Amino acid sequence: EVQLVESGGGLVQPGGSLRLSCAASGFTLLNYWMSWVRQAPGKGLEWVANIKQDSSDIYYVDSVKGRFTISRDNTENSVYLQMNSLRAEDTAVYYCVRDFHVRSRDKYYYYMDVWGKGTTVTVSS
Amino acid sequence: EIVVTQSPATLSVSPGERATLSCRASQDVSTNLAWYQQTPGQAPRLLISGASTRATGIPARFSGSGSGTEFTLTITSLQSEDFAVYYCQQYNKWPRSFGQGTKLEIK
Repeated sequence: EVQLVESGGGLVQPGGSLRLSCAASGFTLLNYWMSWVRQAPGKGLEWVANIKQDSSDIYYVDSVKGRFTISRDNTENSVYLQMNSLRAEDTAVYYCVRDFHVRSRDKYYYYMDVWGKGTTVTVSS
Repeated sequence: EIVVTQSPATLSVSPGERATLSCRASQDVSTNLAWYQQTPGQAPRLLISGASTRATGIPARFSGSGSGTEFTLTITSLQSEDFAVYYCQQYNKWPRSFGQGTKLEIK
């Protein structure tokens, strides 16, 4: 069974740090881009970051640039999100997501086909 | 960045009836559009990719259509488990962007 399991969420004070982990199983992690998506309480979905199969390409939403770092260890079947200088507005459920690629006219397109159950991050004093 | 707008924000429909949800992109995204379903307390689930291709295990009562900037998700014969929030997402250009969601509620 294809599965993503997040861990590492919790309560942290503003300015603090957390490291989220995502354990992948049931598929070969090396073959996929991976993303983190978050959802603030009562709000919609927001893509946060993603990372290429070999970590050679990484992208972030502007609001987390310089504070969050996405990484992966394909040998450990894991993806990580290091979150520093946390703010109240980072409070959300964070989902680990697999990016499925399709090829069309020599270009690749990526949609999110497998989601973990999420881990909750609360930034509050 | 491509802005994705969903309408209506809330849709009230009776079980057994049909629901039609709309999604509009601020620029042409071809058919690079996905729909996701999120029930309360659960993670989103992929319903449709490529604007009209159902994901594995998704019932045939779910159908997607459209291309360019206008898209529709239609759910026929609504079941109790279909009442949820639905998000569309364009993946034609990065950053990929989600709509704000449509809540489908029981009338």
